[in-house]
Amino acid sequence: AQSVAQPEDQVNVAEGNPLTVKCTYSVSGNPYLFWYVQYPNRGLQFLLKYITGDNLVKGSYGFEAEFNKSQTSFHLKKPSALVSDSALYFCAVRDPSRRGTSYGKLTFGQGTILTVHP
Amino acid sequence: DAGVIQSPRHEVTEMGQEVTLRCKPISGHNSLFWYRQTMMRGLELLIYFNNNVPIDDSGMPEDRFSAKMPNASFSTLKIQPSEPRDSAVYFCASSLQFEQYFGPGTRLTVT
Repeated sequence: AQSVAQPEDQVNVAEGNPLTVKCTYSVSGNPYLFWYVQYPNRGLQFLLKYITGDNLVKGSYGFEAEFNKSQTSFHLKKPSALVSDSALYFCAVRDPSRRGTSYGKLTFGQGTILTVHP
Repeated sequence: DAGVIQSPRHEVTEMGQEVTLRCKPISGHNSLFWYRQTMMRGLELLIYFNNNVPIDDSGMPEDRFSAKMPNASFSTLKIQPSEPRDSAVYFCASSLQFEQYFGPGTRLTVT
C-alpha cells in the first residue's frame, strides 16, 4: 500500500528566506508525486508533479521540488518566501500501476501549515 | 474552462434530513473523485469513478452515503439520513491523466 508522510505539522519562515516543506513516501515501483496548496476556504490547487525525467521539477508560483529516490523524498522548496505563500500544503503519491482499485488514486499526506512572517 | 463546479457551496441541514451534493467535472476528464475534509481526519477519499464507473468506494463511511455518476458531466453524493458527524467540507475533483483538479468544496453543517 502506498503512503505519504509530512513530518512537520507547521513550518514557519521569514519573508525573503528560503522555505522547505518535507515529504517522504512509500510505494511499490516508481512513484508519481504531487504537491498541492490549499488557501483558507478554498479547494486544493495543483502546484507541481514528478512523473519521470529530471529530478528537479518546477511548478506554479516559483515553487520547485526535488525527487530523491534513495531517500524516498519529494521536498517542496522555494528560494524566497512570500507572505502570500502562507497556506496548507499537501504532498500526494500515486501508484503508477494501471490495474485494480488503486489506479488513478492519490494518497495524500496530512498536510503542513506554512506561515511566512513579514 | 470553468474548472470543477460544485453546488451548493454551503449547506446547513438538520439531523435526519437527506443531503445531495453535486459536481460537474472539467469537460473531457475521465476520472472523478469525492473527498471529505475535517480537522480531525484530514482529507479522506470517499469514492472515485473512472469513465462513469465506480472503481473504489472503500472510503464511503457507511450505507448512509451513496454516489452516482449518470454521465460524464455530472455526479452526486447523497447522505441519507444525515448526522452531525457528517459535518465537513466535501470536495469533488476530476482528472484526465495524472494530476487531479479540485472544486471549491461544499461546506456541510448538520445540526
